Amino acid sequence: DAKTTQPPSMDCAEGRAANLPCNHSTISGNEYVYWYRQIHSQGPQYIIHGLKNNETNEMASLIITEDRKSSTLILPHATLRDTAVYYCIVQAGANSKLTFGKGITLSVRP
Amino acid sequence: GAVVSQHPSWVICKSGTSVKIECRSLDFQATTMFWYRQFPKQSLMLMATSNEGSKATYEQGVEKDKFLINHASLTLSTLTVTSAHPEDSSFYICSASGTGGGYGYTFGSGTRLTVV
Repeated sequence: DAKTTQPPSMDCAEGRAANLPCNHSTISGNEYVYWYRQIHSQGPQYIIHGLKNNETNEMASLIITEDRKSSTLILPHATLRDTAVYYCIVQAGANSKLTFGKGITLSVRP
Repeated sequence: GAVVSQHPSWVICKSGTSVKIECRSLDFQATTMFWYRQFPKQSLMLMATSNEGSKATYEQGVEKDKFLINHASLTLSTLTVTSAHPEDSSFYICSASGTGGGYGYTFGSGTRLTVV
């Protein structure tokens, strides 16, 4: 079973920031938070990951609460191409299996 | 960045025949590969995990004799769906991790299998 819960869907306007929440209240100390996204009929794409500190890369920012029980993925300037299903996953370490939940469907509207 | 090539992207086969799907890591050594199946409007379901040179570990409920996985080299894993039936029609996706693969797992583009 997935160890994360996400709202089923959300939308945002193009050009605005998209903030995607994720709850992982049972996360263990050695587990990372990973975010992937899947655009329709394609394989998932890695976005970002973190352990306890906030992280930023060219795609997104990841904000993890101090107690690590939840996190938020931020797409700073959403575009129509960001419309996808976004999966928040906790993973124990390299080469351990990923268990996908239902994810959150982000719809970016013009 | 890390690239995983999956072929074919789609295939139609007759019921009772076998289909082989290939997954190649192009620019890194994939020590571990994962195979997923995804039905329409559902999430990815892990089928099996394979480490190079070892037998695959199948998830509960996945028939190992029906879904044959071979991971004979650090750059290639194959999934063979044997004696395919219409209920095996699905989107099959591989992913890989390993040395030089960067952060996270790299996924293939998926294979749409339709059994008629």
